[in-house]
Amino acid sequence: EVQLVESGGGLVKPGSSLKLSCVASGFTFSSYGMHWIRQAPKKGLEWIALIYYDSSNKYYADSVKGRFTISRDNSKNTLYLEMNSLRSEDTAMYYCAKGEGYPRYWGQGVMVTVSS
Amino acid sequence: DIVLTQSPATLSVTPGESVSLSCRASQGISTSIHWYQQKSNESPRLLIKYASQSISGIPSRFSGSGSGTDFTLSINRVESEDFSVYYCQQSYSLPLTFGSGTKLEIK
Repeated sequence: EVQLVESGGGLVKPGSSLKLSCVASGFTFSSYGMHWIRQAPKKGLEWIALIYYDSSNKYYADSVKGRFTISRDNSKNTLYLEMNSLRSEDTAMYYCAKGEGYPRYWGQGVMVTVSS
Repeated sequence: DIVLTQSPATLSVTPGESVSLSCRASQGISTSIHWYQQKSNESPRLLIKYASQSISGIPSRFSGSGSGTDFTLSINRVESEDFSVYYCQQSYSLPLTFGSGTKLEIK
């Protein structure tokens, strides 16, 4: 059974940093691209980053480019999202998801709140 | 960026009715559209991939159609567990984009 478990969220002040983790199990993590997708409270879904299975390519939404970094450690079956210069508009539930073209499996999400 | 426009924003139906949800792309995207269901306080769940391909474990009452710019998710005889929000998503080009969603509610 595919499982994706996010962690690392919390309440932070504007301008600060946070690093999210997503531990994967139930599939060969090193063979699949992975996404981060977020959802602001009461809003729709926003794709923010994709990393290929071997980290050879990384792509970002314009809204986070230059502030967020996606990475992975295939030896630990773990996906990361390093978030810097956080803004109030980054407040959202953050999901990791498996798959490249379409996110097939999603984690339960982790909440990030940016507020002074 | 490819913009996906979903309509209607809200659809009120009676259990047992059949419904169609629309997703229109701002440019042709072949069949690179996928549909998700999101129940309250849950993660999204993939229902249909590549416009019409079924997903293991998803009830057969869910089906998809379309190509180019116009796509439809159909639910045959809506059941009580189907009342939720539905999103379309395109994988034709990066950035991946989602529609704003259609909320299916009980009439």
